[in-house]
Amino acid sequence: AQSVTQLGSHVSVSEGALVLLRCNYSSSVPPYLFWYVQYPNQGLQLLLKYTTGATLVKGINGFEAEFKKSETSFHLTKPSAHMSDAAEYFCAVRLLGGSQGNLIFGKGTKLSVKP
Amino acid sequence: DGGITQSPKYLFRKEGQNVTLSCEQNLNHDAMYWYRQDPGQGLRLIYYSQIVNDFQKGDIAEGYSVSREKKESFPLTVTSAQKNPTAFYLCASSMWSVNTEAFFGQGTRLTVV
Repeated sequence: AQSVTQLGSHVSVSEGALVLLRCNYSSSVPPYLFWYVQYPNQGLQLLLKYTTGATLVKGINGFEAEFKKSETSFHLTKPSAHMSDAAEYFCAVRLLGGSQGNLIFGKGTKLSVKP
Repeated sequence: DGGITQSPKYLFRKEGQNVTLSCEQNLNHDAMYWYRQDPGQGLRLIYYSQIVNDFQKGDIAEGYSVSREKKESFPLTVTSAQKNPTAFYLCASSMWSVNTEAFFGQGTRLTVV
């Protein structure tokens, strides 16, 4: 079965430090990959997506992610954390067909930012 | 403005009652989804619909029912058969193609009292 693994359910960084949130996927075919952010008691908002083309993808709020096929990874980074980045982040894979409505989410990583 | 609207934002239910959560979209999307979110468990798919008058069970469909009579609407009923319904429910919609993202509503928090 296809899956998405987010390493670390909680990540804590200091304000101004590098943010690195990890996502690995299992897929036998080229995947379409997404990162979403969720603030408390709100829905999910798209940060960025990889479909085809350039493997380094830039998103909103200064985030970017790099698709590495050899490592089956799509890690999310931001050079300098801001207090407003504190939220939960979800990696997702989109697939044709399947029993999961073709959109599979990781379990999420909660990011805390210390002043 | 185009978007996806869930209502109500907060809902309280007595044990043994059915409740219906509303989800409406004006994005002209083919597909709609319902997810349940519990702390530490990510998003779990309840039901999804690719087209009007058709829907499929997700991973945790037991105790839930849906309908898709209109393209814009995908209501979710939480029945009394759902043993632990207290959760945050998210509705989403998308085009049914793998290179497009899903758009989410703001969620409904259901509490059994």
